Amino acid sequence: ETGVTQSPTHLIKTRGQQVTLRCSSQSGHNTVSWYQQALGQGPQFIFQYYREEENGRGNFPPRFSGLQFPNYSSELNVNALELDDSALYLCASTLSGSNNNSPLHFGNGTRLTVT
Amino acid sequence: AQRVTQPEKLLSVFKGAPVELKCNYSYSGSPELFWYVQYSRQRLQLLLRHISRESIKGFTADLNKGETSFHLKKPFAQEEDSAMYYCALKGSGTYKYIFGTGTRLKVLA
Repeated sequence: ETGVTQSPTHLIKTRGQQVTLRCSSQSGHNTVSWYQQALGQGPQFIFQYYREEENGRGNFPPRFSGLQFPNYSSELNVNALELDDSALYLCASTLSGSNNNSPLHFGNGTRLTVT
Repeated sequence: AQRVTQPEKLLSVFKGAPVELKCNYSYSGSPELFWYVQYSRQRLQLLLRHISRESIKGFTADLNKGETSFHLKKPFAQEEDSAMYYCALKGSGTYKYIFGTGTRLKVLA
């Protein structure tokens, strides 16, 4: 069983730039969620993708966008980076179905620093 | 408002002592409650969920709807229990998890 993998592990960007983070979901999972974890905080829901469409979004502005591909991998894109975007970005995959009770499986995260 | 509160940032106990990590929630509806754990240099992983009603690594958690709590308990702490613990809820039929700010548990020898 292959777990959730994220790349890169660390990234440093300048304010105003754009960034793309990548995630490969756990084998057998069809749903990917992204979370932002600021220092000293718990993960905060950004959005979720299922069947290549966004099917849920948290309280994040439109400059946070994403994609899901046919192989269920996913990207998180952030435009016009701000200093407050500095955080650990976590990808989590799960299996969505009629029961909808499969728990989240997390990757190790990407540490983004905006200077 | 939907919210998960973990009042303790840090909890230190001695090995063999009982441990209780507190979690209170605010949610209008029937949430599912979870405890996630992050050991040093490992990823965040599920510890247990209230619907399973099981004991994992000696930990248990009971959902108290009257007090809107889901405290995590273990009668005898072990050094390997030292980790960051996050309480989380998910609304039934929804996809969004709401996490607390976490409690760091340190088990002292």
